[in-house]
Amino acid sequence: QQPVQSPQAVILREGEDAVINCSSSKALYSVHWYRQKHGEAPVFLMILLKGGEQKGHEKISASFNEKKQQSSLYLTASQLSYSGTYFCGTDTSGANNLFFGTGTRLTVIP
Amino acid sequence: DGGITQSPKYLFRKEGQNVTLSCEQNLNHDAMYWYRQDPGQGLRLIYYSQIVNDFQKGDIAEGYSVSREKKESFPLTVTSAQKNPTAFYLCASRREGGNQPQHFGDGTRLSIL
Repeated sequence: QQPVQSPQAVILREGEDAVINCSSSKALYSVHWYRQKHGEAPVFLMILLKGGEQKGHEKISASFNEKKQQSSLYLTASQLSYSGTYFCGTDTSGANNLFFGTGTRLTVIP
Repeated sequence: DGGITQSPKYLFRKEGQNVTLSCEQNLNHDAMYWYRQDPGQGLRLIYYSQIVNDFQKGDIAEGYSVSREKKESFPLTVTSAQKNPTAFYLCASRREGGNQPQHFGDGTRLSIL
């Protein structure tokens, strides 16, 4: 039930954009996105609910396509502070127990 | 300040020993979780608890045990039956209700001597 994330890693220059995808083989109630810096706790970014809603958080936004069982995270005009590993967590039962993807390592360079 | 506290930050275990990782939260959250993180494998659920005195196995519960005697505490014991315990362990908690985010502690890194 683990979702598949792509790409596994990406390197950006400051100011460039990136898209991180998360796909599930099961129907989804919600998708949760987190960012983790090396050796630290994951930090919550946003939750996407059924309905194809797009949410935003400054220059980081996400979409959820319920039909395709996919979510995408959009990072625009990247900053050095965006570096880290991004995880999606999927809820396939409505019980808020999450299956996490293997992560996408994002590196932003000057 | 409210938050989740995991201790210790680093832990070393000799083969054949049980060790207990502490997780305490003062957020008044009902649900608590334990995850294991290995390089390149994301987070895998070990155990979770939604109310006091009740808990359920996650995907990789073998070799681990938990208790939930108090709402704010959810300790994890790594037993000698866990043959490959070296990993980064993360505790999380969540407020009751639908679509609430999980909040994580800073983790405990366990290594075998």
